[in-house]
Amino acid sequence: NAGVTQTPKFQVLKTGQSMTLQCAQDMNHEYMSWYRQDPGMGLRLIHYSVGAGITDQGEVPNGYNVSRSTTEDFPLRLLSAAPSQTSVYFCASRNSVDQPQHFGDGTRLSIL
Amino acid sequence: LAKTTQPISMDSYEGQEVNITCSHNNIATNDYITWYQQFPSQGPRFIIQGYKTKITNEVASLFIPADRKSSTLSLPRVSLSDTAVYYCLVGDIKRPPVDTGRRALTFGSGTRLQVQP
Repeated sequence: NAGVTQTPKFQVLKTGQSMTLQCAQDMNHEYMSWYRQDPGMGLRLIHYSVGAGITDQGEVPNGYNVSRSTTEDFPLRLLSAAPSQTSVYFCASRNSVDQPQHFGDGTRLSIL
Repeated sequence: LAKTTQPISMDSYEGQEVNITCSHNNIATNDYITWYQQFPSQGPRFIIQGYKTKITNEVASLFIPADRKSSTLSLPRVSLSDTAVYYCLVGDIKRPPVDTGRRALTFGSGTRLQVQP
């Protein structure tokens, strides 16, 4: 059972570079979300989606873009990487609003 | 957003019962209360979820008083493997336009539980 798969697991970028963090789920979940977690802190919601073609901003959306062209995939794009975006990024999915979220194992991103 | 407040850390010994309380004074009528567990280098893992009164599963119990302004996660007879960060989560995402008063999920900073031999 794959669940929620995030790639890559680790990435180092230079300031100003762009990249896409991949997230895929094989549970046919409608709801997907991206969080970032900074040292000693909880998770903060970046963007979320309630279904294919529908996305919305979370708590800290600046500097990130998302799209949801399929139910399975929910990529997160960093447009121009900044050191402040150094963090661990988690993707999550769930079947409905009253069901718990399933999280991936995270992508550890360092921006120099 | 329904803000949550939890103790930053707790210590316990193997075999003891651990109770972690979360305050959420401005919880909304439609909000669920969910607890997650997170080990280092892993994503959070669901423990238990409830709306009111008491919920019990094979891992933990969740106590929610009538006013729902707080909740308590109870871990019976903890072991070393229960050492982790525990997050209380309140809120939910509604599909627009059914609920235009959408609210985003809010994670607090969590409670770091250290279980000692």
